[in-house]
Amino acid sequence: DIQLTQSPSTLSASIGDRITITCRASENVNVWLAWYQQKPGRAPKLLIYKASTLQSGVPSRFSGSGSGTEFSLTITSLQPEDFATYYCHQYNHFLYTFGQGTKLEI
Amino acid sequence: QVHLVQSGAEVKKPGASVKVSCNTSGYTFINYGITWVRQAPGQGLEWMGWISGFTGNTNYAQKIQGRVSLTTDKSTNTAYMELRSLTSDDTATYYCARTGAYVGHDPFDFWGQGTMVTVSS
Repeated sequence: DIQLTQSPSTLSASIGDRITITCRASENVNVWLAWYQQKPGRAPKLLIYKASTLQSGVPSRFSGSGSGTEFSLTITSLQPEDFATYYCHQYNHFLYTFGQGTKLEI
Repeated sequence: QVHLVQSGAEVKKPGASVKVSCNTSGYTFINYGITWVRQAPGQGLEWMGWISGFTGNTNYAQKIQGRVSLTTDKSTNTAYMELRSLTSDDTATYYCARTGAYVGHDPFDFWGQGTMVTVSS
C-alpha cells in the first residue's frame, strides 16, 4: 500500500495566521491527492482534490499544491472555524490510503 | 442536493456480523460509486472498500478482505456494508461516501453522517 505521512501531527496557530501542512507519499501518486477537514463528531469534508483544485463552496483561503510524492495544504488568514483535523488522501492507486492526520489547534 | 443517510448505531457481540446501510439521493446512483471508510475512536481514517453503482464491481482493503462485503440495491439507491466475525478492533464509526463509478481518479466528495458500531461482550 502507498503510505502517506503528514507533518506536523499537531499544529498550534492563531486567528489570522498562515499555516502549511505537508503530505509525503511513499510512491508517486501524480496529482491524485485530496485534502479533507474533519471536526469532532462530524464526517470529513472534501476541501481540495487533484492536488490543487478547490472543491465547490470551499473558501479561497484554502489552497493545495504539489505532485508526485510531495504535497501541501495552505490556509491563509486562519478563521475560528478552521480549527479541525486535516487528512490527505491518495486515490492514484485503487488501494486508497489516508495520511494519519494533522490536528490544527489554537 | 446530494445526501447520503446511514442507518443507526449498532452494538454487537464478538463474532457477530453487522450490516450498515447508506441511502443516497440527489444524484443518479449508477453514475457513481460508494466507498466505505471507518474511524476507530480517537484514530484516523481507514479506507475499507469501494463498489461501483453501475457495475457492482468491488475492491477491498487487504486488511479486511474476506470479512467485508459491499453490495448495492439500485431500486432504492442504497449501498450496504456487511462486516463479519467482529472483534473489539472493529469498534469504530463507519462512513459511506460518494466517489467514481469506476476505479480511478475520483475523490470522496459527499459523505454520510456516520454509523457507530460498538463490539462488546
